[in-house]
Amino acid sequence: GQNIDQPTEMTATEGAIVQINCTYQTSGFNGLFWYQQHAGEAPTFLSYNVLDGLEEKGRFSSFLSRSKGYSYLLLKELQMKDSASYLCAVLDSNYQLIWGAGTKLIIKP
Amino acid sequence: IAGITQAPTSQILAAGRRMTLRCTQDMRHNAMYWYRQDLGLGLRLIHYSNTAGTTGKGEVPDGYSVSRANTDDFPLTLASAVPSQTSVYFCASSDGTQDRDEQFFGPGTRLTVL
Repeated sequence: GQNIDQPTEMTATEGAIVQINCTYQTSGFNGLFWYQQHAGEAPTFLSYNVLDGLEEKGRFSSFLSRSKGYSYLLLKELQMKDSASYLCAVLDSNYQLIWGAGTKLIIKP
Repeated sequence: IAGITQAPTSQILAAGRRMTLRCTQDMRHNAMYWYRQDLGLGLRLIHYSNTAGTTGKGEVPDGYSVSRANTDDFPLTLASAVPSQTSVYFCASSDGTQDRDEQFFGPGTRLTVL
C-alpha cells in the first residue's frame, strides 16, 4: 500500500528553526509537495520537489532524497503566524496526490 | 478573481437526505478534485475530473457521485447521507497539464450528518 509518515505534532519557539520530516512509500514518484494549512482554512501550496536536493524560498526550504523516500521542510526565523499544520503529499505513478496526515506545528513565544 | 468557491460553508443534514455540495472555479483549470478531511487522517480523494466531460473515482468514492458538465463547475452529491460522511469537504483544481501540478483549494464545506 501507499504510505506517507509525518510526526503528528511539533513545538518550537518563536525565532528558532524547525525541521518537519516526511517519509513516503508510494507506487511511483512524480514529485513531492508541501502545503500549509491554518486551522479552519484550506491548504495552500508551499513547495514542490522532484529532483534530489534543497529548494529554498525565503524562510522556507524543502529537501528531497528520492533514494531514501524522504523529505523535510525547514522553517527558519519562526513567527507566530507559522503556527499551522504542514501537509506532505506525493504524486504517484498515476499522477494522483497521496497525502500525509499532516504535522501540527505549535509556536511558543 | 475569486479562485475557487464552495457552497454551502457549512451544513447540518439528517441521515438519508440527499445533498449537493457546489464547487466553482474561475481559473480555467482542466482538473478538479473533491477531498474529505477527517481528524488524524490525510486528505482523501473522493472523485476527480481531468477535463470537462470526464470523471474518475478516487480513494473513497462510495456514497458520492460527481459530474463535470463544463470547465468551471464540479458538484459533489451525496445520494443518501450517512453519519460517517460527517467531514470537511474540500474542492480543488489544477492546470492538469504540467509536471508541477499545484492544486488550489476552495475554503471547504463543513458537513454534519445526524
